[in-house]
Amino acid sequence: GGIITQTPKFLIGQEGQKLTLKCQQNFNHDTMYWYRQDSGKGLRLIYYSITENDLQKGDLSEGYDASREKKSSFSLTVTSAQKNEMAVFLCASSNPDSGNTLYFGEGSRLIVV
Amino acid sequence: QQQVRQSSQSLTVWEGETAILNCSYENSAFDYFPWYQQFPGEGPALLIAIRSVSDKKEDGRFTIFFNKREKNLSLHIKDSQPGDSATYFCAASPSNYNVLYFGSGTKLTVEP
Repeated sequence: GGIITQTPKFLIGQEGQKLTLKCQQNFNHDTMYWYRQDSGKGLRLIYYSITENDLQKGDLSEGYDASREKKSSFSLTVTSAQKNEMAVFLCASSNPDSGNTLYFGEGSRLIVV
Repeated sequence: QQQVRQSSQSLTVWEGETAILNCSYENSAFDYFPWYQQFPGEGPALLIAIRSVSDKKEDGRFTIFFNKREKNLSLHIKDSQPGDSATYFCAASPSNYNVLYFGSGTKLTVEP
C-alpha cells in the first residue's frame, strides 16, 4: 500500500499573502491532483499533472499556481490569499494500472485572517 | 455549470433501512461513475464504481443502479449501519480521461 501526505494540516495566513501547500505520494503514481472542497459545493479541480514537470489547469485554477518538481511531489500555491477561499484542499494521485482510482490525502485546511 | 448533480445535500435514515442516494449528469461522454465515501477529517475513498455498459453493480450492501437513457444513477445502501454515516460523492469521467468531476456530496446520517 501507499500513502498521500499533505503538509501542513492547517495553514494560517493573512489576506494577500502567498501560501504554499505540499503533497507527497509513495504509490509511484504518474498523475497527481489538487482539489478544493467547500461545504455544499463538493470537490472542484484546481490543477492536475500527468507526469513530472507537467501542469494542466482545472476549472478553478485562477488565483493558484502549481508545481510538479518530481514524480512523488506536487505543490499548490495560493498567490494572494483571500478570506472567501478558506476551504479544505485535497491532494490525490492515480494510475491507469489502478483503474484510475483516486487516492486522497487527509486534506489541508486554509485559514485566512 | 455543475456537470454532476446530487439532489440531496443530506439524508437521514434509521439503522437497518435502505438509504438511497441519487445522482444525475449532463455529459453523454461520461463513461465511468465512481462513488466516494468521506468520513470527517479524512480524504474521500473509493467505495464502488460502475461503467456505462452496465446497469447494475453490487458489492456487499452497496449497489449502484445506472440509467444511461435518463443520465442518472443511484447508490443503494442496504441494511444501513451507524458506521455508514459519512458524506458520499458521486463522480464521473469520460473514458481514457484522467479527470473526475464530482457532485456536491450527500451527507448520510444513520440513526441507531
